[in-house]
Amino acid sequence: DVKLVESGGGLVKPGGSLKLSCAASGFTFSSYTMSWVRQTPEKRLEWVATISSGGSYTYYPDSVKGRFTISRDNAKNTLYLQMSSLKSEDTAMYYCTRDGLGRGGYFDYWGQGTTLTVSS
Amino acid sequence: DIQMTQSPASLSASVGETVTITCRASENIYSYLAWYQQKQGKSPQLLVYNAKTLAEGVPSRFSGSGSGTQFSLKINSLQPEDFGSYYCQHHYGTPYTFGGGTKLEIK
Repeated sequence: DVKLVESGGGLVKPGGSLKLSCAASGFTFSSYTMSWVRQTPEKRLEWVATISSGGSYTYYPDSVKGRFTISRDNAKNTLYLQMSSLKSEDTAMYYCTRDGLGRGGYFDYWGQGTTLTVSS
Repeated sequence: DIQMTQSPASLSASVGETVTITCRASENIYSYLAWYQQKQGKSPQLLVYNAKTLAEGVPSRFSGSGSGTQFSLKINSLQPEDFGSYYCQHHYGTPYTFGGGTKLEIK
C-alpha cells in the first residue's frame, strides 16, 4: 500500500525556518512527481510546491517562491520541504502528496499531514 | 492565477438522495479538473481526475462531468460515508488552485 508519512512540523516564530520530511513507501518513489499541499485553519487548500521524479525541476506558487525549497532523496524515499522567512499566513497543516501519472498535477495519495504554526 | 469557484458552499441532504456540486474555473482548463473528498479529521482523498475519470476504488455512484470552465460532481444515492467536504482543483498547469470547498451534511 502507498504510504506517506510527514514529520517535522511545530511552532516557529515569524521569520524562522523549519524543514519538513515525508517518508514514502509502497511504490517506486523515484518514478513519481511529488508535491506539498497545505490546508489553512480556515480549511482552504493551497498547492505549495512540486518536484519532478528525478529532482531536476521544481515549481512553486508566488506566495512561497524564494522562501520554500522542495527537494527529494530518491535513495532514501524521502521528500523534503525547507521553509524559511516564515509568516503567520504559512500556518497550516502540510500534506505530502503523490502526483498522478500522465500529465499529473492532481494528487492521488496524501499523507496524514504535519502541522506548522507560525506565531510569536 | 486560475480561480476556482465552487457552489454551494454547504449542502444538506438525506441518505439516498442525489446531489450535485458545481465548480467554475475563471478560464478554460479543458478537462484538467480533479475532485477530492475530505472527511472530518482526515486527509483529502482523490475522487475524480481529468474531469470524469474515477480514481481507483471510488464507487460508481460518484461521477464527474464538464469541460472548459464548468464542471460538476454528482453523487447518486447518498451513503452515510459520503458526508464530508468536497474540493475541486484544476491541474491544467502551475499554479494549481483549489475551490473553496462544499460541506455536505446530513439532513
